[in-house]
Amino acid sequence: AQSVTQPDIHITVSEGASLELRCNYSYGATPYLFWYVQSPGQGLQLLLKYFSGDTLVQGIKGFEAEFKRSQSSFNLRKPSVHWSDAAEHFCAVGGSSGGYQKVTFGIGTKLQVIP
Amino acid sequence: KAGVTQTPRYLIKTRGQQVTLSCSPISGHRSVSWYQQTPGQGLQFLFEYFSETQRNKGNFPGRFSGRQFSNSRSEMNVSTLELGDSALYLCASSTGQTTNEKLFFGSGTQLSVL
Repeated sequence: AQSVTQPDIHITVSEGASLELRCNYSYGATPYLFWYVQSPGQGLQLLLKYFSGDTLVQGIKGFEAEFKRSQSSFNLRKPSVHWSDAAEHFCAVGGSSGGYQKVTFGIGTKLQVIP
Repeated sequence: KAGVTQTPRYLIKTRGQQVTLSCSPISGHRSVSWYQQTPGQGLQFLFEYFSETQRNKGNFPGRFSGRQFSNSRSEMNVSTLELGDSALYLCASSTGQTTNEKLFFGSGTQLSVL
């Protein structure tokens, strides 16, 4: 069964500081990996995804993530955080086993940005 | 292009009642997935419909059911509501053609069970 672990429930960073949100996954084959962001009162928006090729993936809003198969990780990074990045961030894994769109989400990491 | 639309935005029900939530996907999208979001559990996959057929199902009791219409609009029904069903219910649409697709989410329906 596929699963996602986000070990940090809540992270606080200063505006302009660098950010890394951790994500570990469990999946039997090559996974499809995603990071989504949810602003208060909104649905989720895709930041980036990985399914093959270059292990460093660039996304929207200046975010990037690196797929490390040996560590079963897909950590999200941003070199300089903006106040508008304050939101809940979800890591997710999907794949072909079990069907097309059975995406499993982590519990989420709430990012707080202080001035 | 209009986004994913979920109605109603808020619902308050009492235990034992039933509720129906609606989701209109992006035009041209044939796959609709439903998720339950709670603070302690994150997003839990309920089920996915594609071309009026349930293609995937999560680990929820039979009280949770859904359907999809020929225009790809989907409804989710919860019968015999329990207090633990209080949650934000999100639907997401996609073309449903590949496994690595981006999901487009609606803003959700906030269900409170009293």
